[in-house]
Amino acid sequence: QVQLQESGPRLVKPSETLSLTCTVSGGSVSSSSYYWNWIRQPPGKGLEWMGYTFYSGSTNYNPSLKSRVTMSVDTSKNQFSLKLNSVTAADTAVYYCASTRRGSYEVDYWGQGTLVTVSS
Amino acid sequence: SSELTQDPVVSVALGQTVRITCQGDSLRSYYASWYQQKPGQAPVLVIYGKNNRPSGIPDRFSGSSSGNTASLTITGAQAEDEADYYCNSRDSSGNLVVFGGGTKLTVL
Repeated sequence: QVQLQESGPRLVKPSETLSLTCTVSGGSVSSSSYYWNWIRQPPGKGLEWMGYTFYSGSTNYNPSLKSRVTMSVDTSKNQFSLKLNSVTAADTAVYYCASTRRGSYEVDYWGQGTLVTVSS
Repeated sequence: SSELTQDPVVSVALGQTVRITCQGDSLRSYYASWYQQKPGQAPVLVIYGKNNRPSGIPDRFSGSSSGNTASLTITGAQAEDEADYYCNSRDSSGNLVVFGGGTKLTVL
């Protein structure tokens, strides 16, 4: 059973960079069977897929965020990460790390989510 | 706006059957997956593929698809089924992942 846990600052100032890390247990980010995703949910709103990264370093981003987002994998720590730059209040959301099987899109494992607030 | 469209609100009487739908062009080519989300919790996968339930999901949950519409059916809705439900699939290009806007299910 894969378990995912997000960590990182809960408060980010406007125009700065949001950085989150997801620690994977019960599985390996080096696995060729999984994509490692970030999904966010603004308060009271729906889910937005942000993109995923793969153990090889390849990525696939939501075009609406592509110019501001970077995702990467750290195999030595069994973690993957998200960086979102130039944030605004519209980026305030619960951020989930999640896994999907390679070639698929159903999210089988989710982190508990972490609320990140963008405010000065 | 999402490439997958869901009715924002649906209600069902306790013990009755309810269908939650998800529409989108990509659903002609790809199945929808379905998630249940209760307040303050992460979503939980309830249906994937043609009509597959992960371990632990009650068999009152089922999925189907026709044309550009996917459906999640709850047969004999229970009070604990009151939640938000989201569909997801690929976008029209097949390269990206998309979610529907969500349906809030109320069990009366």
